[in-house]
Amino acid sequence: AQSVTQPDIHITVSEGASLELRCNYSYGATPYLFWYVQSPGQGLQLLLKYFSGDTLVQGIKGFEAEFKRSQSSFNLRKPSVHWSDAAEYFCAVGASGAGSYQLTFGKGTKLSVIP
Amino acid sequence: DADVTQTPRNRITKTGKRIMLECSQTKGHDRMYWYRQDPGLGLRLIYYSFDVKDINKGEISDGYSVSRQAQAKFSLSLESAIPNQTALYFCATSDSRGGLYNEQFFGPGTRLTVL
Repeated sequence: AQSVTQPDIHITVSEGASLELRCNYSYGATPYLFWYVQSPGQGLQLLLKYFSGDTLVQGIKGFEAEFKRSQSSFNLRKPSVHWSDAAEYFCAVGASGAGSYQLTFGKGTKLSVIP
Repeated sequence: DADVTQTPRNRITKTGKRIMLECSQTKGHDRMYWYRQDPGLGLRLIYYSFDVKDINKGEISDGYSVSRQAQAKFSLSLESAIPNQTALYFCATSDSRGGLYNEQFFGPGTRLTVL
């Protein structure tokens, strides 16, 4: 079974600083990887996804993520954080088996932004 | 105008009561999902449905049941609610025509409290 680890429960950065949120996955085959963002009181919105091809993926709101197979990682980055980026971020891995489909989420990283 | 709606948005109920959470979507997607979110645990899949006649258990289906009344409607029931079912519940949809791992679109969530 697949699993996702987000090592950082809570990160605080200053507005304008760079950001990197870590995500490590466990899956026996090629993973399908996603980053979602949840703003306070809202549902989840997809930031970006990786299926295959270029290992550096661009997403919405200026975010990018890099797939590193050797490290089983899919870290999310943003060069300059805005106050509106304060939210909770979830990494997820998609996998299939016996014709089924499941998306497994990490426990999330809460991002606080200092003005 | 929301594409995935959930009713009610908030609900307080008592132990032993039966409760139904409803999800409707106007996206025309064939796949629908129910997740629960608990602080520090991320999202966990309860049930998913690939079409009206296809219902599958997720990671934590015990104590829950679902009904897919139509392609656009997917309801989650708690037959006899218990306090540890207090959580934030999300409905999500995806479109199989875009491939197996197409993006999941989330509703705004239902906050359920069981006293």
